[in-house]
This record gives sequence, structure tokens and C-alpha cells, in this order.
Amino acid sequence: GQNIDQPTEMTATEGAIVQINCTYQTSGFNGLFWYQQHAGEAPTFLSYNVLDGLEEKGRFSSFLSRSKGYSYLLLKELQMKDSASYLCAVADSNYQLIWGAGTKLIIKP
Amino acid sequence: IAGITQAPTSQILAAGRRMTLRCTQDMRHNAMYWYRQDLGLGLRLIHYSNTAGTTGKGEVPDGYSVSRANTDDFPLTLASAVPSQTSVYFCASSDTGDSNQPQHFGDGTRLSIL
Repeated sequence: GQNIDQPTEMTATEGAIVQINCTYQTSGFNGLFWYQQHAGEAPTFLSYNVLDGLEEKGRFSSFLSRSKGYSYLLLKELQMKDSASYLCAVADSNYQLIWGAGTKLIIKP
Repeated sequence: IAGITQAPTSQILAAGRRMTLRCTQDMRHNAMYWYRQDLGLGLRLIHYSNTAGTTGKGEVPDGYSVSRANTDDFPLTLASAVPSQTSVYFCASSDTGDSNQPQHFGDGTRLSIL
């Protein structure tokens, strides 16, 4: 079967760095997405990785290792507004997105 | 402002009733999707459409139907609602059905079936 695993919840301190991991087992792989979802709101696109390595976009970076079925989202200089759920999604062989349950990130002052 | 509009924002519905959730996008995206989001679970694809006039079944299509008469609109119908369909429903769109295109989401419809 297809499976995406992420930690359910993480806590970090304002100004610090946090790494949110995602492991996946899917029928085929056509890229991995990270989305941010604030409580009661719609998911919004953060990043896309299809090749191995690190993609940096401002305070956010995303890493992919296809051989390990592993990705992480790295958030630097954490701000209170970063408190949200972070969703990992993999595009399978049919180009459909398989979603993880999300990691709720709590930022403390 | 360009984007996706969903209606209604929320709804309480008696079991057995028919309900249509509306979704309209003005980005001229070819692909559209309906997901449900339940606590502790990832988003699950109900139905999708890669282009106007075509639709496909996702992971959890039973009890739901869709149509795609034009590019902009993608309504989701519950023919006879059941309590297990209580959920938050998100409509999304992307430029194409290719995997490297990010999906843009509407604000969701919170549906409670009693």
C-alpha cells in the first residue's frame, strides 16, 4: 500500500530552527510537495522536490532523498506565524497526490 | 482576486438529503480536485478532472459524484448524505494534471451530517 509518515506534533521556540521529517512508500514517485495549513484555513504550497538534494526558499528549505524515501522541511528563524500544520504529499505513478496526516508545529515565545 | 471559491462555507445537513458543494475557479486551470480532510488523516482525493468534460475517481469516491461541464466549475454532489461524510471538503485546482504543478486550494466547506 501507499503510506506517508510524519510526526503528529512538534514544538519549537521562536527564533530557533526546526526540521520536520517525512518518509514515504508509494507506487511510483513523481515528486514531493510540502504545504502549510493554518488552523481552519486552506493548505498553501511551500515547496516541490523531484530530484535529490536541498531546495532553499528564504527561511524554508526542503530536502529529498529518493533512495531513502525521505524528505524534510527545514524552517529557520522561527516566527509565531509559523505555527501551523505542515503537510507532506507525494505524487504517485498516476500523478495523484498521496498526503500525510500533517505535522502540527507549535511555536513558543 | 484570482482564486478558488467554494460554497457554502459550512452546512449542517440531515442524513438522507442531497447536497451539492460548489467550486469555481478563475485561474483557467485545466485540472480540478475534490478532497476531504478528517482529523488525524491526510487529505483524501474523492474525484478529479484533468480537463473540462472528463472526470476520474480518486481514493474515496463512493457516495459522491462530480461533473465538469466547463473549465471554471467543478461541483461535488452527495446523493444521499450519511454521517460518515461529515468532514471538511476542499476543492483545488492546478494548471495541468502533471505532478509538478502545485495545487491551489479553496477555503473549504465544513459539512456536518446528522
